[in-house]
Amino acid sequence: GQNIDQPTEMTATEGAIVQINCTYQTSGFNGLFWYQQHAGEAPTFLSYNVLDGLEEKGRFSSFLSRSKGYSYLLLKELQMKDSASYLCATNDYKLSFGAGTTVTVRA
Amino acid sequence: NAGVTQTPKFRILKIGQSMTLQCTQDMNHNYMYWYRQDPGMGLKLIYYSVGAGITDKGEVPNGYNVSRSTTEDFPLRLELAAPSQTSVYFCASSYGDNSNQPQHFGDGTRLSIL
Repeated sequence: GQNIDQPTEMTATEGAIVQINCTYQTSGFNGLFWYQQHAGEAPTFLSYNVLDGLEEKGRFSSFLSRSKGYSYLLLKELQMKDSASYLCATNDYKLSFGAGTTVTVRA
Repeated sequence: NAGVTQTPKFRILKIGQSMTLQCTQDMNHNYMYWYRQDPGMGLKLIYYSVGAGITDKGEVPNGYNVSRSTTEDFPLRLELAAPSQTSVYFCASSYGDNSNQPQHFGDGTRLSIL
């Protein structure tokens, strides 16, 4: 099975950087996904990591350490539209989702 | 290209009623999934399908049934609605075995059981 932990809430200022941590314990591992979910909307894909290291996509980066069961999502140059819930999900040929981290960006 | 389409968007049911949540995708994806999302909780997998004619239970299948007669459609059936089934239901699809293919989600069905 999967056990995924991520912080419940984070608050940051527009233009700042925020790092959302995700730790997991899994019996099988085939990659880790990050999704963004705005209130009342469907989750949308942000990033995927299967090998250790950093993947960068514009203002968003995601890091994975398989030996530590740890990932983080880094959001740079925060904008108001980045206020959303961010879901960490491990892949064991089925996705298991964490409860999500609600990020609030303040002006 | 509509992606994943769910109907209805909202529904209120009485305890004991039944209904079917519809899901269709036009991306020719083999894999389809049903999740429920309760407030403050992550998405919980109800059922999934790896292709037409094949379905399997997820983490929380009790009280639900599915069928997959075509590649495009994956309806979710509630036979005897209970208050515990009040939730937001998301249907998703992906191209392959999901090893590196992201799931694409529908807009959700908000269901209340009273």
